[in-house]
Amino acid sequence: DAGVIQSPRHEVTEMGQEVTLRCKPISGHDYLFWYRQTMMRGLELLIYFNNNVPIDDSGMPEDRFSAKMPNASFSTLKIQPSEPRDSAVYFCASSGSSNQPQHFGDGTRLSIL
Amino acid sequence: RKEVEQDPGPFNVPEGATVAFNCTYSNSASQSFFWYRQDCRKEPKLLMSVYSSGNEDGRFTAQLNRASQYISLLIRDSKLSDSATYLCVVNQAGTALIFGKGTTLSVSS
Repeated sequence: DAGVIQSPRHEVTEMGQEVTLRCKPISGHDYLFWYRQTMMRGLELLIYFNNNVPIDDSGMPEDRFSAKMPNASFSTLKIQPSEPRDSAVYFCASSGSSNQPQHFGDGTRLSIL
Repeated sequence: RKEVEQDPGPFNVPEGATVAFNCTYSNSASQSFFWYRQDCRKEPKLLMSVYSSGNEDGRFTAQLNRASQYISLLIRDSKLSDSATYLCVVNQAGTALIFGKGTTLSVSS
């Protein structure tokens, strides 16, 4: 079975550019989560969706970040404009319910120069 | 107080050693508990769920103490391949999982 699929695996771009990260959850999973991981702050929940509806976006750092889930099999996390402090690994995860284990994608390693 | 707290380590142990990690959580309403493992430059992966009665999976034993609000993970007969970061994860009903920052384990020969 396919796991959570994220793209791109790596992204290097210049400050001020728009960055779009993509995620395909495991089929049948109703919950989708976006995380950011850095050495200093660990794994931070940015936003999560239930049945394509955003439930909690309190972790989104600021208005430059936005996330959408237009259907059950696709979600995007967008940063516009990007800044060097956004450099991190961004993970997408999905689960069948909010209290079940989450399955993570391979992550996107983002570097903003 | 942070919601989920772990000793960051690192724990440096020789092969064959027994090592234990503890994790405390702040919300007494938490209902689900897990240990995840994360290898360097990889994604977190579920190691095991933690049940109220305690549970074992091979060399790994997980315990839950609701009264004291802590979770433990015991690894017996450590292998080189156990070197990783171990993340404690807690959940309340209807909310997302909350991850600790992880405890780093390094097993040496």
